[in-house]
Amino acid sequence: GAGVSQSPSNKVTEKGKDVELRCDPISGHTALYWYRQSLGQGLEFLIYFQGNSAPDKSGLPSDRFSAERTGGSVSTLTIQRTQQEDSAVYLCASSLSSGALYNEQFFGPGTRLTVL
Amino acid sequence: AQSVTQLDSQVPVFEEAPVELRCNYSSSVSVYLFWYVQYPNQGLQLLLKYLSGSTLVKGINGFEAEFNKSQTSFHLRKPSVHISDTAEYFCAVRGEPNDYKLSFGAGTTVTVRA
Repeated sequence: GAGVSQSPSNKVTEKGKDVELRCDPISGHTALYWYRQSLGQGLEFLIYFQGNSAPDKSGLPSDRFSAERTGGSVSTLTIQRTQQEDSAVYLCASSLSSGALYNEQFFGPGTRLTVL
Repeated sequence: AQSVTQLDSQVPVFEEAPVELRCNYSSSVSVYLFWYVQYPNQGLQLLLKYLSGSTLVKGINGFEAEFNKSQTSFHLRKPSVHISDTAEYFCAVRGEPNDYKLSFGAGTTVTVRA
């Protein structure tokens, strides 16, 4: 079946512009995660959605970052007034659930964001 | 909170030679441990995981890892690498039972040469 898909695969933008990154999780997966992979660094957790519960936004680096998940499926990560330090690969992952039992997170190919 | 340290950022290795990628973690609770691989221009793929039970874990593509609680390590090994193993490898930890976030190391780039 189809895996996690993300669009666009690459995005180049000018400093100060807003960008939207899209994630389509695997069908039936109720948990969705966003991570950021900066050059030379590991992956950094950004935000987590589980079903209809309030999202865990504790990893968002500033109030310029926001995300929503519509209908419990597709998610959009929005970065307002982009800065050069926002340049990174943004990865989305989904899993069946996040509960006490282990559920593997399946990752998408990522969106490479370059802020000029 | 958990954290992960990958001790080598770059590991060059010749084809058919063995490779070991080192990973140490810190956590105040029991953990789940993972190794992910990222091939060029692709997303992360799970190589193997430790949840409980046997400390020697076997994964895909001939990789294995050993969980050592006393040394808080989870080193990844492969006895004979191929050119196709060239990739970036990430060690990750998740605290159990209800933690859902993965904390990743900075990654180790493995370059296999003929």
